[in-house]
Amino acid sequence: KAGVTQTPRYLIKTRGQQVTLSCSPISGHRSVSWYQQTPGQGLQFLFEYFSETQRNKGNFPGRFSGRQFSNSRSEMNVSTLELGDSALYLCASSTSGRMNTGELFFGEGSRLTVL
Amino acid sequence: GENVGLHLPTLSVQEGDNSIINCAYSNSASDYFIWYKQESGKGPQFIIDIRSNMDKRQGQRVTVLLNKTVKHLSLQIAATQPGDSAVYFCAEIGGSNYKLTFGKGTLLTVNP
Repeated sequence: KAGVTQTPRYLIKTRGQQVTLSCSPISGHRSVSWYQQTPGQGLQFLFEYFSETQRNKGNFPGRFSGRQFSNSRSEMNVSTLELGDSALYLCASSTSGRMNTGELFFGEGSRLTVL
Repeated sequence: GENVGLHLPTLSVQEGDNSIINCAYSNSASDYFIWYKQESGKGPQFIIDIRSNMDKRQGQRVTVLLNKTVKHLSLQIAATQPGDSAVYFCAEIGGSNYKLTFGKGTLLTVNP
């Protein structure tokens, strides 16, 4: 069974640009959540999608957005990039999205560098 | 690697020793806790979990202890191996069931 796949693995952008990151969950998983990981703030929750609906959202500005498609694949978009957006963006999938089952599987992340 | 620049608490142990990694959580309403391991260049990997109605749970070479009185969680790794070298995060479910709140992490280095 293939794991969570994130693309691209690495990318470099300049301030003001936008970026789209993609996540393919494990087959059969309907929940996809996104996390930002930085040295200063650690791992922070961005948002979670289930059946194409955003169910929960973290404390990030509106420049951060996401969506989920009917095949459960998800994308997140960051517009008007700032230097502080440089981070590892992690996607995680699960069957139901309820975290108290421990069935949360992470991808290897997309490393974004903003110059 | 992914951990360069991270100002994390660090723990350095000799191969074969036992390791104890600690975590303090803030939300007294949290009822579910997870430990994750993150190796350089990879995403977090589930190690073990515990619910708030328990104070101890054991897995293979790992034990998690929960002290709700002082809001403290620990991960014990027995007979630590070089392959255990990684950053370890605790995470809690607080409020919503759909998001995890992660701790800052501890960098474990195992010396051969």
